[in-house]
Amino acid sequence: NAGVTQTPKFQVLKTGQSMTLQCAQDMNHNSMYWYRQDPGMGLRLIYYSASEGTTDKGEVPNGYNVSRLNKREFSLRLESAAPSQTSVYFCASSELDGTRCDTFGSGTRLTVV
Amino acid sequence: QKEVEQNSGPLSVPEGAIASLNCTYSDRVSQSFFWYRQYSGKSPELIMSIYSNGDKEDGRFTAQLNKASQYVSLLIRDSQPSDSATYLCAVFYQGGKLIFGQGTELSVKP
Repeated sequence: NAGVTQTPKFQVLKTGQSMTLQCAQDMNHNSMYWYRQDPGMGLRLIYYSASEGTTDKGEVPNGYNVSRLNKREFSLRLESAAPSQTSVYFCASSELDGTRCDTFGSGTRLTVV
Repeated sequence: QKEVEQNSGPLSVPEGAIASLNCTYSDRVSQSFFWYRQYSGKSPELIMSIYSNGDKEDGRFTAQLNKASQYVSLLIRDSQPSDSATYLCAVFYQGGKLIFGQGTELSVKP
């Protein structure tokens, strides 16, 4: 039982390059989330998908796009990476009603130079 | 104003003491509240959830919720050095958003 799988685990990009972070869950959860974590900032919500077919902006959506490909997969895309997007990115999943949110991926450490 | 606020700490307590972590939130209609523990370099892990006013106990952990004051707290009894971590408060909002506070760093000294 893998839970939430994120790829890649590490990535270095040059300013202006694009990339997609992949996330997949095998728990049949309806809701999925993308967060970024910077020192002293906790987790900040980038985008979320309450259910298959829907996506909504979170606290810090600028510079990102998402795709809920199906119930299992939720990807995060950086179209033109900037140094300010250097961060650790976490994907998470939960039940639709929010009574459980107990599964995070292992994180992607992204550096933009 | 952030939707979920925590004192960033660090909070330092001696081994065996009670650690008290606090969190306030801005949306009165929120129904679900969570505490996560995050060790350095690791992913957050859920340690407590609470949905109704009052106290909820699980081992050495007690979560307290006061919806009228929009306040959630986590008490850790008999604190151990292995409890040293960052503790994140999270609030589930209507529409599906799960918002985190900035986290409180706890250090338990032997």
